[in-house]
This record gives sequence, C-alpha cells and structure tokens, in this order.
Amino acid sequence: DTGVSQDPRHKITKRGQNVTFRCDPISEHNRLYWYRQTLGQGPEFLTYFQNEAQLEKSRLLSDRFSAERPKGSFSTLEIQRTEQGDSAMYLCASSLAQDEQYFGPGTRLTVT
Amino acid sequence: AQKVTQAQTEISVVEKEDVTLDCVYETRDTTYYLFWYKQPPSGELVFLIRRNSFDEQNEISGRYSWNFQKSTSSFNFTITASQVVDSAVYFCALMGYSGGGADGLTFGKGTHLIIQP
Repeated sequence: DTGVSQDPRHKITKRGQNVTFRCDPISEHNRLYWYRQTLGQGPEFLTYFQNEAQLEKSRLLSDRFSAERPKGSFSTLEIQRTEQGDSAMYLCASSLAQDEQYFGPGTRLTVT
Repeated sequence: AQKVTQAQTEISVVEKEDVTLDCVYETRDTTYYLFWYKQPPSGELVFLIRRNSFDEQNEISGRYSWNFQKSTSSFNFTITASQVVDSAVYFCALMGYSGGGADGLTFGKGTHLIIQP
C-alpha cells in the first residue's frame, strides 16, 4: 500500500537559490494538491491539479513559485530566488475527485 | 471567502477523560465538505473524517465522534476515554464547491491536545 511520497524530506538552501520539490501521489488519484505549513499554523493551500491541468492557484503562490504535473502523474514545485520567508514545510496531498485528501510527509525547507 | 476557526489553541486533560475539540466554519457555498485531520509529533497529517454539507448525521467511530450542526456552522470532535496516543495537533478543514470545481482545503489553526498519563 503506497501512500503519497515527497522528496527531499529536508532542504537547506541559501537565499537567492532555486529549489525544486517532487511529489508522487497515490497512483489512482487524479487530484494533486500543494500546501505550505509554517510553525504553529494550519496548512495553507497553494495550488492543485486535476490530472495534468493546474486548475487553481492561491494568491499565496507568487510568481517565484511554479508547479507542474506532466502526464498527470508526479508533480514538482519550484521556488525561484528563495527568500527567508519561504522557510516552511511544503506538503503534497492527493485525492480521487472530491474524496478525502491523503498527505505526504512533507519537505521541510530552510532558507538561510 | 472561507474561514475555519478553532478557538482552542491547546487543551490538556488527564488520560481517560472525555474531550471535545471545537470547530466553527464560514462559507458562502451551499455545497461543501468538512474534514478533521490529526497531526501527531511525527508530523504527517492523518485523515480522520469527511462530511458533506447535506449530511448532518452525527458519526461515531470507536472512541471518536463528530457532531455537525449547520444551524451553528459547527463541526465538533469528541474523543471519549482519551489515551496518551491521542496527543497531537488536530485540524478542522473546509472545502467549498463553487460549481466550477472544488477548491483546496481551508484549515483552522489547529488545537494542540495533550493527554497526560
């Protein structure tokens, strides 16, 4: 039984560098979501895909952020020119249509 | 705009006590879904329950029960006979459905539940 996986689990980068995270959803799930969680807060929605189409983007997703889901399978989230305020846990979730979302373990980003 | 409020930041009880976690939501959508997730110290969010806006039946699953009341826009979660393993941060979340497609989940800030032995 394979759940949602994310890679890497931890990333430390210097301000101004670009980073890319990967998410592999549960195989039969057609929806894939990205969230960001900072300490002491609930996750905040960033964007989601239905198959390969990116259907919604939060206003939290500045133009330094881009997400893709080629072929409707895995997804990548790239942050360009990282800033210290980007330090957070980046969570990926997948679901079948509007069913419950299953979350991965997250990628913890630290920008120094 | 959607909003989820979990007014209890932290609750501490002694093992075997019953505890209720409150959740109040706001949405203009007539169709929506409500969720509870558990985030243990390991960090991974664990799905507990999903309810849709047309189903106000309360639900019980073992020691867990949920009370959904549309009249007060509340979706409260009760743990009966709490155990140390229930210690975690619990999030209530809302997903609206505006007809053009579902949005992502809107989470509350979470309630940190501490069960003392």
